[in-house]
Amino acid sequence: QVALTQSPSASASLGASVKLTCTLSSGHSNYPIAWHQKQPEKGPRYLMKLNSDGSHNRGDGIPDRFSGSSSGAERYLTISGLQSEDEADYYCQTWGTGIHWVFGAGTKLTVL
Amino acid sequence: EVQLVESGGGLIQPGGSLRLSCAASGFSVSSNYMAWVRQAPGKGLEWVSVVYAGDNRYYADSVKGRFTISRDNSRNTLYLQMTRLRSEDTAVYYCARGATRLTPDYFDYWGQGTLVTVSS
Repeated sequence: QVALTQSPSASASLGASVKLTCTLSSGHSNYPIAWHQKQPEKGPRYLMKLNSDGSHNRGDGIPDRFSGSSSGAERYLTISGLQSEDEADYYCQTWGTGIHWVFGAGTKLTVL
Repeated sequence: EVQLVESGGGLIQPGGSLRLSCAASGFSVSSNYMAWVRQAPGKGLEWVSVVYAGDNRYYADSVKGRFTISRDNSRNTLYLQMTRLRSEDTAVYYCARGATRLTPDYFDYWGQGTLVTVSS
């Protein structure tokens, strides 16, 4: 059964860059994932789908400050030029026939 | 523009029933798979149920036998009928659109959520 591991928290300064990590469980390093942003009191927002080769496609209206990359079982979300509105929880998600959908526990990003 | 608007949440006693609705616009609910995802207080996201374009339906083990997903194509609305509710079902429930029709993939649009509180 696939599982996703995320660090509980991250922080970075306004205008800086931050790299969030989502790690796929052993034996599942070829799985694609999706990144979603969850701001307080709002529904989640799809950011991008990220493939094992690092290729990614952003959702509608997502600025190119948000980018993705991959290395082995690790999937990364990099946010550059941090803005105050980027302070949110970030979830990774994967899927498959039989497992349906699995989410990581989320990373709470604080913009200092 | 794709929009999903949930409604129907509220306070309900344990053992009770509730029906959630998700009104869609900007696309047809029959053209993609549609899902319900919930977030309990202080917890992460948990997939609840899905209905594919071919009408296959699946449920998380935690709700199997108690929840039923359906859609009304004429109203372009997704539903979640919840019965035998438990305190652990307390959560914000989101509907989400799938990126494809017939196979699992990511969710590309989400609603704003509706809160279900199960308490006596």
